[in-house]
Amino acid sequence: QVQLVQSGGEVKKPGASVKVSCKTSGYNFISYGINWVRQAPGQGFEWMGYINVYNGDTQYLQKLQGRVTMTTDVSTSTAFMEVRSLTYDDTAVYYCVRGQRVAYWGQGTLVTVSS
Amino acid sequence: DIQMTQSPSSLSASVGDRVTITCQASQDISHSLSWYQQKPGKAPKLLIYDASNLETGVPLRFSGSRSGTDFTFTISSLQPEDIAIYYCQHYDTLPWTFGQGTKVELK
Repeated sequence: QVQLVQSGGEVKKPGASVKVSCKTSGYNFISYGINWVRQAPGQGFEWMGYINVYNGDTQYLQKLQGRVTMTTDVSTSTAFMEVRSLTYDDTAVYYCVRGQRVAYWGQGTLVTVSS
Repeated sequence: DIQMTQSPSSLSASVGDRVTITCQASQDISHSLSWYQQKPGKAPKLLIYDASNLETGVPLRFSGSRSGTDFTFTISSLQPEDIAIYYCQHYDTLPWTFGQGTKVELK
């Protein structure tokens, strides 16, 4: 069955970077793109960006341009999402999502930005 | 970006009640809309995709429909395990956007 298993929670200081991984299984990794979505505590969802796993093309939310990078490692069927220059507003649960119509979500990774 | 306006933000209903949530898209998104259920501390669970298709394994009391840019999500007979927050989300184009969520509580 399709599974997306994300890395564990992180606590980072303001200005630091965080890299979240999303290890997939149960399907052909290069056949589906990966989206990243985040949810701040008690808030709704914010789409962050998309990576075409087949060719590596990316599209990011405009306000995150320059601070976020999405990559993949086809050899391990894993997607990665890095956010740099973290601020308190980046505290959120980060999700990787496969596909769009019948979407599969990872379990989420809590990133806490705290001094 | 496409805006998704979801209402109500919260509702209170009794077991067995019919519950209806609506989402309006700011422009045509065809049928590219999903409905999710989220319980505390959990990832969202896909219930409906393509506006009206029931995801495998989801109870038949959940349904969705579309009329132009207006989308409706219905629970035909509310059960205690349905207490959660429900979100609509379009995937017609990037960026995806989500409704603000509807918190469903038991009366």
